[in-house]
Amino acid sequence: SAVISQKPSRDICQRGTSLTIQCQVDSQVTMMFWYRQQPGQSLTLIATANQGSEATYESGFVIDKFPISRPNLTFSTLTVSNMSPEDSSIYLCSVTVQETQYFGPGTRLLVL
Amino acid sequence: AQSVAQPEDQVNVAEGNPLTVKCTYSVSGNPYLFWYVQYPNRGLQFLLKYITGDNLVKGSYGFEAEFNKSQTSFHLKKPSALVSDSALYFCAASPVGASKIIFGSGTRLSIRP
Repeated sequence: SAVISQKPSRDICQRGTSLTIQCQVDSQVTMMFWYRQQPGQSLTLIATANQGSEATYESGFVIDKFPISRPNLTFSTLTVSNMSPEDSSIYLCSVTVQETQYFGPGTRLLVL
Repeated sequence: AQSVAQPEDQVNVAEGNPLTVKCTYSVSGNPYLFWYVQYPNRGLQFLLKYITGDNLVKGSYGFEAEFNKSQTSFHLKKPSALVSDSALYFCAASPVGASKIIFGSGTRLSIRP
């Protein structure tokens, strides 16, 4: 399994600002994933981040809006840029260990 | 397109009764299948997975899931429900060799005392 932590756990931000979410894993992993989830709904994959290469974004998500860093095998950041109220959501990071995805506790973002 | 379906938005069960949360999938090949649980204000917790072998898979918190290849189903079950089982449950599938996982829409399980 994997133990994943995220910072911050929650935040309230003003529109037009940016927030960087950190994800730390207790073991080295090749791929890390970033998801968005509206409360009570399913998960939407934002991007896949491999160490040492550009992140791969899903349809509807772009690097300018959601830049991702992956400086090493245990850490990644997701930035939500130029935020609007529509970005209010839960952001989750996850990793794959032995064919199973494990998830962090999530970052709850409210944009006013 | 590949997909995972959870036909019930909500399942209501009395405490002590058996529960079933349904899941069917449309994924090529022999996918890996998963169940996750999400408690309020928490991330997703892994419950169990099926990769190969016995069709009945046992997982955490007394849950089990039954794989049926002919019906492409992977239903989650528990013989005796607890109030603390009340949560949001997600079924998911991952094509063999793929890094991505396909999630169902989720089923809210409510256990009444």
